[in-house]
Amino acid sequence: KAGVTQTPRYLIKTRGQQVTLSCSPISGHRSVSWYQQTPGQGLQFLFEYFSETQRNKGNFPGRFSGRQFSNSRSEMNVSTLELGDSALYLCASSLDRWGGNGYTFGSGTRLTVV
Amino acid sequence: SQQGEEDPQALSIQEGENATMNCSYKTSINNLQWYRQNSGRGLVHLILIRSNEREKHSGRLRVTLDTSKKSSSLLITASRAADTASYFCATGANNLFFGTGTRLTVIP
Repeated sequence: KAGVTQTPRYLIKTRGQQVTLSCSPISGHRSVSWYQQTPGQGLQFLFEYFSETQRNKGNFPGRFSGRQFSNSRSEMNVSTLELGDSALYLCASSLDRWGGNGYTFGSGTRLTVV
Repeated sequence: SQQGEEDPQALSIQEGENATMNCSYKTSINNLQWYRQNSGRGLVHLILIRSNEREKHSGRLRVTLDTSKKSSSLLITASRAADTASYFCATGANNLFFGTGTRLTVIP
């Protein structure tokens, strides 16, 4: 079966712009989580969606937001981009909220803010 | 902030040797997971060990868990060049907290 699909793979934006990233989970998976990975901070949790509702949020400013659609696809949005937002953004899906069988990650979106 | 710390930060071994990575975490857990990440790509789930388990095997992987010491180890036996990657431990239920990772290089 198809894995977790993230689009686009690469993105270059300028400071002040906004960006929307997309994630399509594995068919049947209802939980989608987002993570930011940077060399300095490592992997950090952004937010988790389940049944179209944000269930959990990490320690990121309000410029970072997301949503989940009825087909479980999710988008995350970053407004007023800053240089420090340059990172690999990873999406992960699981059957339920507890990831009892582990999470499946997408290949990520590499965002560069210039 | 990160939940755990992996040790060592980097490890370089010859093909065929065994590789051991350690993970320490801070709070009580229901399970601990190990993931592999090839350079700049997504993470691949390797193995999950529950808090009531002490050891688990999957192919060439062996994971141990010591909840009293809040630590886990990942052993990769008979390493291959294709095992070259970063390895992360992760804890948490509906949001994962990742360690800092161990960068493993297997030299052919």
